[in-house]
Amino acid sequence: KQEVTQIPAALSVPEGENLVLNCSFTDSAIYNLQWFRQDPGKGLTSLLLIQSSQREQTSGRLNASLDKSSGRSTLYIAASQPGDSATYLCAASRGGNQFYFGTGTSLTVIP
Amino acid sequence: SQTIHQWPATLVQPVGSPLSLECTVEGTSNPNLYWYRQAAGRGLQLLFYSIGIDQISSEVPQNLSASRPQDRQFILSSKKLLLSDSGFYLCAWNVDWAYEQYFGPGTRLTVT
Repeated sequence: KQEVTQIPAALSVPEGENLVLNCSFTDSAIYNLQWFRQDPGKGLTSLLLIQSSQREQTSGRLNASLDKSSGRSTLYIAASQPGDSATYLCAASRGGNQFYFGTGTSLTVIP
Repeated sequence: SQTIHQWPATLVQPVGSPLSLECTVEGTSNPNLYWYRQAAGRGLQLLFYSIGIDQISSEVPQNLSASRPQDRQFILSSKKLLLSDSGFYLCAWNVDWAYEQYFGPGTRLTVT
């Protein structure tokens, strides 16, 4: 079974700092890797999807990379803002509607 | 554009009572639909997914059931709730399992 781990569980940074969130998965036979943002009490908002044939995807200040051989994905956030404060989750898909989620990293950006 | 709705937003139910949560998607046809549960401090657990009307797959044995009476409607039900059914229930969709999943706003269920 695919295990997805996100470390650290919580992260606090000052505004303006660049930061990296980590996502590790045990089974490299994934089809894609998706990053989400979740605000307290809300649903998940899709940020980026990386297909297994891709190495990275970018959207604005966000950049996600995927290294299947090492079982890792990272989400890079540039010039962090207080509005970036949220929980960030990653999900690995092995296809066939099988999605495995990490428990998330809770990010606090301090003004 | 596509929109996904869930209701109710919050629900408090006594143990042993029935449950019905509804999810509808607008702006797309024949979506894959998913029900997840998110318990405090734990990751999302896939409960059911559906690739079409009356085509439901269950991922976790439990006292919950799902139905898809219409193309863009997905319902999560229980005949008798347990305390362990408390959690945040999320509905999601995508056009195909290979593509991005999009989530609804969720339903907070508290079983007392």
